[in-house]
Amino acid sequence: GDSVTQMEGPVTLSEEAFLTINCTYTATGYPSLFWYVQYPGEGLQLLLKATKADDKGSNKGFEATYRKETTSFHLEKGSVQVSDSAVYFCALTLGGNNRLAFGKGNQVVVIP
Amino acid sequence: GAVVSQHPSRVICKSGTSVKIECRSLDFQATTMFWYRQFPKKSLMLMATSNEGSKATYEQGVEKDKFLINHASLTLSTLTVTSAHPEDSSFYICSARDREYHEKLFFGSGTQLSVL
Repeated sequence: GDSVTQMEGPVTLSEEAFLTINCTYTATGYPSLFWYVQYPGEGLQLLLKATKADDKGSNKGFEATYRKETTSFHLEKGSVQVSDSAVYFCALTLGGNNRLAFGKGNQVVVIP
Repeated sequence: GAVVSQHPSRVICKSGTSVKIECRSLDFQATTMFWYRQFPKKSLMLMATSNEGSKATYEQGVEKDKFLINHASLTLSTLTVTSAHPEDSSFYICSARDREYHEKLFFGSGTQLSVL
């Protein structure tokens, strides 16, 4: 079935470093793709999304491009801040009705 | 912004007991609620979808008699893990779809269930 795979392990990096979190997907159709972020003690929040191939979602300095040829939706940020420390989830739509399939999430820790 | 309040945030129980998790939409009406769970180092998996006033629709492999979902009002949905066992230990998250803005989903902060 449709699924999302995120890179293994937590990510620890220094402030102002470049961040990349890999996400690849398997889908029978043409899903919309999302990145959600969960800050400590809070619910998941939509960070950005892309609804069709070659679309680029962006928000708060984060970007991700819907790559159909590589079935990927990697998240990037050029210069991270301590406040970006959170868990990041990649997701895709499972047909209609807002049903989503998520990856396992990546813990990102930014050190001052 | 819209908030979904999920309680409890953490619960530890003995094997064989039932545990109820609540999700409330605080400032909007949620026509649809989604329940997810995440085992350690695994993906966040959709368990079921519930529409207010209707029976929940469960994903393949999820036991409906074990995970009872009630969505009796537009602001409250509950998930009851009946006769919990250690293998039910997991992180459970609810998500609500806004009645007016169908594309918007709001998530609870999750419940960590540990069954001894």
